[in-house]
Amino acid sequence: SQQGEEDPQALSIQEGENATMNCSYKTSINNLQWYRQNSGRGLVHLILIRSNEREKHSGRLRVTLDTSKKSSSLLITASRAADTASYFCATDEGAAGNKLTFGGGTRVLVKP
Amino acid sequence: DVKVTQSSRYLVKRTGEKVFLECVQDMDHENMFWYRQDPGLGLRLIYFSYDVKMKEKGDIPEGYSVSREKKERFSLILESASTNQTSMYLCASNIPSGGGETQYFGPGTRLLVL
Repeated sequence: SQQGEEDPQALSIQEGENATMNCSYKTSINNLQWYRQNSGRGLVHLILIRSNEREKHSGRLRVTLDTSKKSSSLLITASRAADTASYFCATDEGAAGNKLTFGGGTRVLVKP
Repeated sequence: DVKVTQSSRYLVKRTGEKVFLECVQDMDHENMFWYRQDPGLGLRLIYFSYDVKMKEKGDIPEGYSVSREKKERFSLILESASTNQTSMYLCASNIPSGGGETQYFGPGTRLLVL
């Protein structure tokens, strides 16, 4: 079974609105990362939050981490059409090789 | 900027063929990874390598092998391609770190096995 599970699986919003997606995981982690994937492309790293952090910001992105609930959320504020993509959370459990375990992703459609 | 390149964007092969997917990174990263991505399943790790000639099985290694003869190059081999190996294949690399490091991905190879 997957370590990270995103919710919702798909999200459709109007340009200018905020988009929120959630990620739940099962085991203890060193850090949690969010990636974006444009259609048919590779993944691009967005933000990393360590297990001892609770909130992190990067531009229009805000990530929270609640280790007691084993969950994280990604908020994209003032969304743009260019934010249309799939978003994946990935957990680093401290395994050899810094392996990441990815969730199934949230597909976000931002309508102009 | 880190650059990870993959040998092909699209590939069509026949059942039973031997298939080579190649990945090259230009940032002297120790770790390299191969994933496959299928709709609804996210990315699943096939194999990874933390040094030249070193390899470790990931979550779904069956039907695949890998080769890492040089630090910058990590090859994924499908010994005898089957239709259930039709998928998007993604390569990634990073440097080892106790605090965790982000992975840098190539553009992906979409493989169709007929």
